[in-house]
Amino acid sequence: ETGVTQTPRHLVMGMTNKKSLKCEQHLGHNAMYWYKQSAKKPLELMFVYSLEERVENNSVPSRFSPECPNSSHLFLHLHTLQPEDSALYLCASSQDPPGGTTDTQYFGPGTRLTVL
Amino acid sequence: GEDVEQSLFLSVREGDSSVINCTYTDSSSTYLYWYKQEPGAGLQLLTYIFSNMDMKQDQRLTVLLNKKDKHLSLRIADTQTGDSAIYFCAEMTSSASKIIFGSGTRLSIRP
Repeated sequence: ETGVTQTPRHLVMGMTNKKSLKCEQHLGHNAMYWYKQSAKKPLELMFVYSLEERVENNSVPSRFSPECPNSSHLFLHLHTLQPEDSALYLCASSQDPPGGTTDTQYFGPGTRLTVL
Repeated sequence: GEDVEQSLFLSVREGDSSVINCTYTDSSSTYLYWYKQEPGAGLQLLTYIFSNMDMKQDQRLTVLLNKKDKHLSLRIADTQTGDSAIYFCAEMTSSASKIIFGSGTRLSIRP
């Protein structure tokens, strides 16, 4: 059973809506991640937070806005999305950020997002 | 640049062994991972291997690493219907800044 939870599991939104995805980890980890999984494409890393500070931002459009209020919670705020943003958004956490001794990532179940 | 490649599909008969292959480009990668994704679910860490190891075995799973050829494989012995999933290979880059995933191999099981 995963120690990383995500809500909602499914989300349908219009292009003018504002919504947020939530991730919570119960593993006592210090790093959290947002990934995007589109059909027929490799998993794409979007954001990395280590000890609540953003350490990686892979040229993600500004319509995606992450927030990490504490080491257990990670949000992805969405606004004015496009239909091509429809995908599975996965959250992950690790004890250490990439490069640390224990940086194996554990994933949540994902949020299936559909943008109409 | 950094890249991880896998074949997209693999079909095996129930009870046979499955071998999923992966190649990567960063010869200085530190950790290599195998993740499993079942339909409608997130990624589940199956196993990982440190780059100074050649082989790791965990019950029905055997990971082989050939550093010279930058080739990683996952062997699943006695494949069952519950093994149907997409399997992702991933590497930790030498710069230790991120993990690079392959596109995933969809494993299907024939009766």
